[in-house]
This record gives sequence, structure tokens and C-alpha cells, in this order.
Amino acid sequence: GESVGLHLPTLSVQEGDNSIINCAYSNSASDYFIWYKQESGKGPQFIIDIRSNMDKRQGQRVTVLLNKTVKHLSLQIAATQPGDSAVYFCAENDYGGSQGNLIFGKGTKLSVKP
Amino acid sequence: DTGVSQNPRHKITKRGQNVTFRCDPISEHNRLYWYRQTLGQGPEFLTYFQNEAQLEKSRLLSDRFSAERPKGSFSTLEIQRTEQGDSAMYLCASSSSTGGEQFFGPGTRLTVL
Repeated sequence: GESVGLHLPTLSVQEGDNSIINCAYSNSASDYFIWYKQESGKGPQFIIDIRSNMDKRQGQRVTVLLNKTVKHLSLQIAATQPGDSAVYFCAENDYGGSQGNLIFGKGTKLSVKP
Repeated sequence: DTGVSQNPRHKITKRGQNVTFRCDPISEHNRLYWYRQTLGQGPEFLTYFQNEAQLEKSRLLSDRFSAERPKGSFSTLEIQRTEQGDSAMYLCASSSSTGGEQFFGPGTRLTVL
């Protein structure tokens, strides 16, 4: 079965609000985590990544939090905009032990209401 | 455009036909990956190359599937005797040899009738 999953399949937020998308993973050996955004008909687009030696990383309007104790990953989007509407995937990899393929969850569909 | 490119973007074929997709990775990337994505699901790993060497294959890659990267640059994914269950988006990604972020192409949407 999948080692990476998401708590909620859909999330609807008001424009300007903050969004939080959650992800659970099961492989405690995973040492690299990444969030992708995928718009309809397009390939996944990198948002932000984090390695297991960190618990927080910030980008432009996005923050990823990693809690290795409970094997939980979250993506926070500040001041959500209509252009943020997409499906968001978390993915993990055990680069220390495997060959490099990412394991993806099923995704959370984010809808931003104007 | 210096990103990952894939051709064709869409392919419609009849069951039993063979199809071939091409991926051109970011030029300085040594690693190239193929994934398959069905509707409502996340991408699933198929296979990956380090330069021209195919280093890993998923159990999803049946004997009808074959991938090549002969010169360590572009790659092709061939599906022989296509089945309706092969209908999916086929995604290619590339990364540097140190791993980390994988950059995805736009995908090839395959429809098997």
C-alpha cells in the first residue's frame, strides 16, 4: 500500500485566508519530503521541499512543517489566492536507502473562493 | 524553454497497438524518471535512469513496457499491445545526480480505446 497519504481529499478556503494541507507518511526511513502543486492537465510543479534534519522550512507564502515523531507533514499557504487552486501532493523519498523515486500520496484538492 | 518536455502531449490508440512516448529532460540532469498517473491519484513510479543505465523498475512496469535512454539524454517509453487499463497520464521527471527535487514535464495523456 501507499506509504504517504493525506488526511483530507478536498479543502475549500476563502481568498486571503491561510490554508493548511496535511500529509501522513509511514516510512520512518524517509529523509526527503516535497510538496507539489498540480493544475488540471499539467505536470506537478515544485512548491517546497524539506529534509529530515529540519522541522520547518519557509518559502514565498509557503511553509512546510515536518514532525518526525508522528510522521506528519504539512503545507501552509499564506494569504491564499485564486491561483493557488489546484491539487497538492506530498511525496517522500528514502534517498539514503533507495534509488531515488518519490512516493506520492493521493492529493488534496484546494479550492479558493473569491 | 529549458524545462522537461514530453511528446506527444496526447495519444489516442486502439487496444493492441504499440505506442512510444519521448521525454527530454533538463540538459544538465543525470537522473530521469517515468511515472504514471491515473485520474484522482498521485503519480506512481515506473522506472528511473542514471545517465543511460536503468537502475530501478517498479512492479507496475510489466513486460509490455520498456524504457530506454540510449545516450543518457532523452528517454523513450514504449508500451506494446496496449490495454484499456494503460490509459493514464505518463509523466517524466528529471533531477541532478545528487537527487532532491524532481522537475516534471507536462505529461503524455494516453487513451486506449
